[in-house]
Amino acid sequence: EVQLVESGGGLVQPGGSLRLSCAASGFTVSSNYMSWVRQAPGKGLEWVSVIYSGGSTYYADSVKGRFTISRDNSKNTLYLQMNSLRAEDTAVYYCARVESIAAGELGAFDIWGQGTMVTVSS
Amino acid sequence: AIRMTQSPSSFSASTGDRVTITCRASQGISSYLAWYQQKPGKAPKLLIYAASTLQSGVPSRFSGSGSGTDFTLTISCLQSEDFATYYCQQYYSYPQWTFGQGTKVEIK
Repeated sequence: EVQLVESGGGLVQPGGSLRLSCAASGFTVSSNYMSWVRQAPGKGLEWVSVIYSGGSTYYADSVKGRFTISRDNSKNTLYLQMNSLRAEDTAVYYCARVESIAAGELGAFDIWGQGTMVTVSS
Repeated sequence: AIRMTQSPSSFSASTGDRVTITCRASQGISSYLAWYQQKPGKAPKLLIYAASTLQSGVPSRFSGSGSGTDFTLTISCLQSEDFATYYCQQYYSYPQWTFGQGTKVEIK
């Protein structure tokens, strides 16, 4: 079964750090384009970061310089290292697989994890 | 960044109704548009991609149309399990994907 399972969320103080994990099954993370999307309480969806199959990484301006996306091919797992956390980073964080619709052309997000909650508060 | 604007933000409907949700892009995105359904406490689910192509397993009462800047999601005969929030998303300007603000469909 194709599945994504996130973990690592929790309560952290402003300025603190947290690492989220997303374990994949049924497909290979390193052969796909993988992304993180977040949703603040009661709000809409916001794209956060993506890692390409070739290893290139991209970030939303709101997290650039503070968050790092990575993967461990041996564990078939995606990560999001979050540093210098702010109250406005409070959200449910989802990992998702990005469809590759043509050579190097990316599409919609077809597989999503269940999400993990991150709360930044003192 | 391309801004996606959905209308309405919410509305009430009855089972059996035909409902339409609109999504407008701030610039032309060809047909690089997806629709998602999200129920409370759950992850979004991909319904439609390429503006009008139904994702595998999605009921045929869902349909999408449009290209350029104006798009619609139609549910031909609303079922109880369709009460949810719907989001459009552009993937024309990847890797800077953007979503609409969402449309909540509530029970009348």
